[in-house]
Amino acid sequence: EVKLQQSGDELVRPGASVKISCKASGYTFTNYAMYWVKQSPGQGLEWIGTIIPLIDTTSYNQKFKGKATLTADKSSNTAYMELSRLTSEDSAVYYCARDNPGLYFDYWGQGVMVTVSS
Amino acid sequence: DTVLTQSPALAVSPGERVTISCRASESVSTLMHWYQQKPGQQPTLLIYLASNLESGVPARFSGSGSGTDFTLTIDPVEADDTATYYCQQSWNDPFTFGSGTKLEIK
Repeated sequence: EVKLQQSGDELVRPGASVKISCKASGYTFTNYAMYWVKQSPGQGLEWIGTIIPLIDTTSYNQKFKGKATLTADKSSNTAYMELSRLTSEDSAVYYCARDNPGLYFDYWGQGVMVTVSS
Repeated sequence: DTVLTQSPALAVSPGERVTISCRASESVSTLMHWYQQKPGQQPTLLIYLASNLESGVPARFSGSGSGTDFTLTIDPVEADDTATYYCQQSWNDPFTFGSGTKLEIK
């Protein structure tokens, strides 16, 4: 069974950074790209970026360049997303989702709620 | 960016047929996909590449369209289909989602 287990919800201060994890199981981690998606009440669902763990290649939505950094640890089958210089606009639920070659998201993590507040 | 336009909400009775539309601001070929999201849950894939039913999804769900106009059909609708439905395109960079159609079952 494919499963994407994300880390817990986060409360962070403005200006700080946060790193979210997504541990994959039930499939060969390096065979699939991993997407990250933001869901906020005002903006709906937004694609942040993609990482291909096999070759450590990333691509980003221009809107999130400089905000999000995607990495992957092949030894632990875990993908990470770090968000930097957080503001209230970054308060949202963040999902990881597996790419099915066909460029759609066939499995999703349960989501991490990030709240930016002082 | 490619804008995907969906109607905000629909209300139907159980047993009826419902169509949810998604219009793209430019062609996305057939790289259009549909997701269902129930309150407090992550989205789940229903239809991929415009018309292909994801494994395990009931055959009551179907998709059609190409280019700029796409449709998700549920026939017949059941009470459990209460959810928000999103379209998503992967033809143009960046990938984009529609704003979602909230389906209410009367």
